[in-house]
Amino acid sequence: SQQGEEDPQALSIQEGENATMNCSYKTSINNLQWYRQNSGRGLVHLILIRSNEREKHSGRLRVTLDTSKKSSSLLITASRAADTASYFCATTNDYKLSFGAGTTVTVRA
Amino acid sequence: DGGITQSPKYLFRKEGQNVTLSCEQNLNHDAMYWYRQDPGQGLRLIYYSQIVNDFQKGDIAEGYSVSREKKESFPLTVTSAQKNPTAFYLCASSKGTSGNTGELFFGEGSRLTVL
Repeated sequence: SQQGEEDPQALSIQEGENATMNCSYKTSINNLQWYRQNSGRGLVHLILIRSNEREKHSGRLRVTLDTSKKSSSLLITASRAADTASYFCATTNDYKLSFGAGTTVTVRA
Repeated sequence: DGGITQSPKYLFRKEGQNVTLSCEQNLNHDAMYWYRQDPGQGLRLIYYSQIVNDFQKGDIAEGYSVSREKKESFPLTVTSAQKNPTAFYLCASSKGTSGNTGELFFGEGSRLTVL
């Protein structure tokens, strides 16, 4: 069953702009992860945030986690054409990872 | 370089045939997973294995089978009992086992088309 749901489903932005996408989930989690998938490729891990953390940064990525609202956000700053991809949140509950349907981001040059 | 290798990348199958998708990792990871992805959708877990000679059903195991005879290998067989097998199949591995699933490392996927 899919635990996380991303919003929006699709996002189109100009190069240099910021992109923000959200993830909501239903049950308690151990951690939450974000992945990127380029078209027709495998997923690549971006960042992991634990349930006792509220914010995490990695390069141009900023992830927040609000366990009281069961939600997370991923911010990509100063977007580039190479950021065009689908982004998935995944929640860990016990032994397995459950993925949402993803947000498709298109960065226009 | 360490990583996960899936083969074949593209596979065509006639209805009624079984096919086996290969997944090999040299990351020395204990846990391995098979996911299915349909167009515009997220990933759904088919099977996972936390240790050699042991595996569990995921959310959509019907019509699929797996084996884990070696730590490095986790092949997936799509049987003729799978009603709608056309999909993109992704294999992944992780260091973590039960209760501590960390980062997943993915292969490049296998696209199966049933003719």
